[in-house]
Amino acid sequence: DQQVKQNSPSLSVQEGRISILNCDYTNSMFDYFLWYKKYPAEGPTFLISISSIKDKNEDGRFTVFLNKSAKHLSLHIVPSQPGDSAVYFCAASDRNAGGTSYGKLTFGQGTILTVHP
Amino acid sequence: DTEVTQTPKHLVMGMTNKKSLKCEQHMGHRAMYWYKQKAKKPPELMFVYSYEKLSINESVPSRFSPECPNSSLLNLHLHALQPEDSALYLCASSQGGGAYEQYFGPGTRLTVT
Repeated sequence: DQQVKQNSPSLSVQEGRISILNCDYTNSMFDYFLWYKKYPAEGPTFLISISSIKDKNEDGRFTVFLNKSAKHLSLHIVPSQPGDSAVYFCAASDRNAGGTSYGKLTFGQGTILTVHP
Repeated sequence: DTEVTQTPKHLVMGMTNKKSLKCEQHMGHRAMYWYKQKAKKPPELMFVYSYEKLSINESVPSRFSPECPNSSLLNLHLHALQPEDSALYLCASSQGGGAYEQYFGPGTRLTVT
C-alpha cells in the first residue's frame, strides 16, 4: 500500500519557467511533509518542509503548498534553472506515531525533473 | 554545518565476507537512521536510533546489524549478504525533539558478488 504517491515519473520544463511537482497521500495521520532533491550517486538533499497547520511555506525559489482536504501537496520552483534537474522526492511523517521525538519518513516514488536551457 | 559523512563510498564484498559501513555527524543530532535505496526507488527505512538506542527495526534480516557507539557515530555491520542486498545505503540524522527534517549522507554503493 503506497501511502505517498508521486504520479508523474518525470517532468520537463524550460529554464526560467515554473516547475510544479505534485504529491498525494492517503494516510490522514501524516502531519509533516518534506521535499528532497537527489542527484545520481548522492544522498537526498532536504529542500523544504511544511507542517499540517500551514497551507504554504516559502524559501527562496521554492514554495510548498498543502491542501489537507485533498491530501495533496505540491512543490513550485520559480524560476527553474538547469541545476534544478534532479529526482524530487516527497516525504511524509506522522509525528505522533509511537510518541517519538523523531519522524519516520514515508517517501513517494520520486519525479525526475529536467530543466532545459 | 549540515554534513553527514559516510565511508566507504563504494564497497564490493563477497557473500561470505564481513564488512562495516560507517556514518558520522557533528550537528548534535540525537536521531540517526539507516536507509536502503535500490535504483529508481525511494529510500526504504531500515533502522532508527534515538538517543543512541535502537528505536525502530523495520524487520531487517539479521545479516544487517546496526550499532551506535556514541551520539555522533552509526555503523552498519554486514555479514553473509546476498546479491539482492546490493544497493545504495544511506545514513541520515535529525535533531529530534520536534524537528523532523532528516539530513542524508552521500551513501555507500554496495555490491555483493
